[in-house]
Amino acid sequence: SQTIHQWPATLVQPVGSPLSLECTVEGTSNPNLYWYRQAAGRGLQLLFYSVGIGQISSEVPQNLSASRPQDRQFILSSKKLLLSDSGFYLCAWSPDGNTEAFFGQGTRLTVV
Amino acid sequence: SQQGEEDPQALSIQEGENATMNCSYKTSINNLQWYRQNSGRGLVHLILIRSNEREKHSGRLRVTLDTSKKSSSLLITASRAADTASYFCATGVAGGGNKLTFGTGTQLKVEL
Repeated sequence: SQTIHQWPATLVQPVGSPLSLECTVEGTSNPNLYWYRQAAGRGLQLLFYSVGIGQISSEVPQNLSASRPQDRQFILSSKKLLLSDSGFYLCAWSPDGNTEAFFGQGTRLTVV
Repeated sequence: SQQGEEDPQALSIQEGENATMNCSYKTSINNLQWYRQNSGRGLVHLILIRSNEREKHSGRLRVTLDTSKKSSSLLITASRAADTASYFCATGVAGGGNKLTFGTGTQLKVEL
């Protein structure tokens, strides 16, 4: 069966520090991968999605970047965090864009 | 930007009552999906309806889709306290590759 791992669960980082969030999927190949951000009590904002290794589509220009160095690995990064980067970050995978997506448990990032 | 907008933003009902949530979207879609999120957790897929379908059932869930009005509704019958959660619609956009875009969500509270 397929599983998705996202870590860490919580993270407190100072302004100006770097960020690296990792997401891995097991039990499937060539998944579509997604990074979302959710502000408190709000909907999900699509940040990046990827249909294959090295293929990244950015939805919102911002202080973040994403990479897919391996088929089932999706990394969200920042060189210098801003206060506005705080939020709940969710990784998800889908066989394609026309079927259900499976979510990780999320990372709650607080930038102080 | 958000593709979908859920209505109402918040809904409070008594156990045993039915809950209806609506979703409106902007562009042509391949499918529309509904997800549930318990507080501080990842999302769980509930049901998917394709653009050529008008109604779908799954247990106590009933979803309708009106592509002419670009809207969908989710009905939860005989609600239970355990149904308390946030509910989101998501759309797979026609011609949008594999992008999966979420709405703003409805917070449902079912009281005993």
